[in-house]
Amino acid sequence: GQNIDQPTEMTATEGAIVQINCTYQTSGFNGLFWYQQHAGEAPTFLSYNVLDGLEEKGRFSSFLSRSKGYSYLLLKELQMKDSASYLCAAMDSNYQLIWGAGTKLIIKP
Amino acid sequence: GAVVSQHPSWVICKSGTSVKIECRSLDFQATTMFWYRQFPKQSLMLMATSNEGSKATYEQGVEKDKFLINHASLTLSTLTVTSAHPEDSSFYICSARSSGREGLNEQFFGPGTRLTVL
Repeated sequence: GQNIDQPTEMTATEGAIVQINCTYQTSGFNGLFWYQQHAGEAPTFLSYNVLDGLEEKGRFSSFLSRSKGYSYLLLKELQMKDSASYLCAAMDSNYQLIWGAGTKLIIKP
Repeated sequence: GAVVSQHPSWVICKSGTSVKIECRSLDFQATTMFWYRQFPKQSLMLMATSNEGSKATYEQGVEKDKFLINHASLTLSTLTVTSAHPEDSSFYICSARSSGREGLNEQFFGPGTRLTVL
């Protein structure tokens, strides 16, 4: 079956660094997405990885290892506005997104 | 960037009535649109995949006669919740996949529609 695993909740301190891990099992693979979702709002796109390695975009970076079925989202210099849920989604061979349950990130001052 | 709009943003209706939600891609053509439902503190649940000009593909457990989807053009898909009941109260989100962007299978999300059935 297809499955995405990510931690339910994480807590970090303002200004620090946090890494949110995601493991996936899909029928075929066409990339791994990370989305940010604030409470009551729709998800917004953060990153897309289809090749192994690290993609850096400002304070956010995303890593992929296809052989391990593993990805992480790295957030640096955390700000209070980064408090949100972070959704990991893998795209299968039919170009359908398989969604994780999301990781709620709590930022403390 | 690609923009997807949804209308209405929120709706309150009486049990037994039908509600139509519109999803529009404003600055790109979307051959495929997706409808999701999200209950509080839960992840997105794909309801159906809508392809322009053809019937929608519904996920297992989603009643196609209750959740009517129409994708009549490359920029508009509609979801009609027929004979809505309180258990249908949820956050409904659409997304659209661009047909013209090379090398990226990104989905662009609408802002969502919060449905409350009394």
